Amino acid sequence: DAKTTQPNSMESNEEEPVHLPCNHSTISGTDYIHWYRQLPSQGPEYVIHGLTSNVNNRMASLAIAEDRKSSTLILHRATLRDAAVYYCILRPYNNNDMRFGAGTRLTVKP
Amino acid sequence: EAGVTQFPSHSVIEKGQTVTLRCDPISGHDNLYWYRRVMGKEIKFLLHFVKESKQDESGMPNNRFLAERTGGTYSTLKVQPAELEDSGVYFCASSQVVRDTQYFGPGTRLTVL
Repeated sequence: DAKTTQPNSMESNEEEPVHLPCNHSTISGTDYIHWYRQLPSQGPEYVIHGLTSNVNNRMASLAIAEDRKSSTLILHRATLRDAAVYYCILRPYNNNDMRFGAGTRLTVKP
Repeated sequence: EAGVTQFPSHSVIEKGQTVTLRCDPISGHDNLYWYRRVMGKEIKFLLHFVKESKQDESGMPNNRFLAERTGGTYSTLKVQPAELEDSGVYFCASSQVVRDTQYFGPGTRLTVL
């Protein structure tokens, strides 16, 4: 199975943009790139997903490299409520389970 | 619309006892998933129901774990007998259709003493 690599932790200042990187050099052509986050004492929460093209929604943007071997989750203006563990997940087209890694713990400083 | 709910939020039991966790998916969601995070490890998939049928139970750790989804609505996950290594947080998720976004519940924290 394709694996993802993320930094263990990152810090950001409130109101500033945050770029969370993810490497997935062994991604296959049918793997979707999903991002979830987990706030303290809560279950994982869907953020965004994409296949090849960059994606935007109300929560974030997802920038996918042309070779799809890496992606970046972009929070345009971090707030204190964005402090969470962010998971980059490759989800095969023919498989329904989510393969979580260790994720990146984002700290947002006021 | 109510989200995925799980009961209890926290359970503390002795080794060798039985515990049953319950998950109520979002209404109308045919797909229901169980995951767990044991101490210091990553969140791992356990199994997937489509309505009342087990679609994939490849992540179930051993035969002490039994998941059911009678009638295709709520699901239960029974651990019998519980062992110390079963301690962790058990998450349930649901989705409307296959490969759709999964919505997670808040989890049940299981502590086995």
